Amino acid sequence: SQLAEENSWALSVHEGESVTVNCSYKTSITALQWYRQKSGKGPAQLILIRSNERHNRNGRLRATLDTSSQSSSLSITATRCEDTAVYFCARDYGSSGNKLIFGTGTLFSVKP
Amino acid sequence: EAAVTQSPRNKVAVTGGKVTLSCNQTNNHNNMYWYRQDTGHGLRLIHYSYGAGSTEKGDIPDGYKASRPSQENFSLILELATPSQTSVYFCASGDVDGNTEVFFGKGTRLTVV
Repeated sequence: SQLAEENSWALSVHEGESVTVNCSYKTSITALQWYRQKSGKGPAQLILIRSNERHNRNGRLRATLDTSSQSSSLSITATRCEDTAVYFCARDYGSSGNKLIFGTGTLFSVKP
Repeated sequence: EAAVTQSPRNKVAVTGGKVTLSCNQTNNHNNMYWYRQDTGHGLRLIHYSYGAGSTEKGDIPDGYKASRPSQENFSLILELATPSQTSVYFCASGDVDGNTEVFFGKGTRLTVV
């Protein structure tokens, strides 16, 4: 079963619009991370949000965390064509928190 | 800049053959990971390591072995490759635990025919 799961397979917006990707998880976490993967490349971290934080920001990106509902969201404002990518949420797992488990990802496309 | 280098970048193997995927990191990270990525499944953890000499099973270890001979190097070994192992494989390194950033290599596309 997925330990971190995005709630949409694919999203599409026009350049300049805003978008939100949601993620849910099933057990307690130390931190939740958001990654972006562009075509032909490995994932790269966008934002890390720890369990004692409610939100975190990185430029046009803002992540929220709600530990009571075990969910997180990643919002992108003023989207650009170069934001087109697959977005993953990932969470720590395991007795030592050493495993990093990814969701299945959301394909996000920005149209001109 | 954190660096994780995978080799080869592309590999075609025959069914039943042995395949070794190599990964080198210059980040001095304790943890290293091997994932495979398939459409509809995202990134799935195969094996990981806490440091030199250690390997641990991830979520889908069957058919794979791993080796961590040094802090810098982590290999994924397919002793008897099967077509179901055709995938893109990513190596990653991270410091300490899942509470910190993980850095990925560019991936290895493996095709087993």
